[in-house]
Amino acid sequence: NAGVTQTPKFQVLKTGQSMTLQCAQDMNHNSMYWYRQDPGMGLRLIYYSASEGTTDKGEVPNGYNVSRLNKREFSLRLESAAPSQTSVYFCASSSEIRTGNEKLFFGSGTQLSVL
Amino acid sequence: QQPVQSPQAVILREGEDAVINCSSSKALYSVHWYRQKHGEAPVFLMILLKGGEQKGHEKISASFNEKKQQSSLYLTASQLSYSGTYFCGTEKSSGTYKYIFGTGTRLKVLA
Repeated sequence: NAGVTQTPKFQVLKTGQSMTLQCAQDMNHNSMYWYRQDPGMGLRLIYYSASEGTTDKGEVPNGYNVSRLNKREFSLRLESAAPSQTSVYFCASSSEIRTGNEKLFFGSGTQLSVL
Repeated sequence: QQPVQSPQAVILREGEDAVINCSSSKALYSVHWYRQKHGEAPVFLMILLKGGEQKGHEKISASFNEKKQQSSLYLTASQLSYSGTYFCGTEKSSGTYKYIFGTGTRLKVLA
């Protein structure tokens, strides 16, 4: 059981380049999330998807786009990368919203550097 | 607005106790606690629902005061394996299911 799988694990981009971070979960979860983690800032929510076909902005959505391709996959796209987007990116999925049993499962992260 | 955690960092010796606090300016439906080891993904510890519920997980327990919009994580008789960064998570606003996190508390347990 793989859980939440992110690719790639590491990526170096030049300013202005574009790329897509991939995320897939095999737990049949409806909710999926993208976070970025910077030193001293904790985890900040970029985008959220409650179900296939729906997405919603989080705390720091500027410079990013997302696609919820199907129930399993939720991708994050940087159209024109900037040095300020250097960060560690985590994808997560969540079980059983509003039942008291919900918990977030995180992928192993993507370390992105923009030069 | 991110939940506020305190302290930002704490250093303990094995066997000592610690308390990590999390407070929010918004009314809370639930509070999650996660632990992240260096270079790894955050891992779920427990969830607390409104109602002043207290939960336990081995020697790690937590409380949730809905009126004060605060939660506290209690680590008793700490072990080396407790080292890491602890995050509390809450919904951005009630009913949105957008989970946001505090800035974290770095905990280091020394032998």
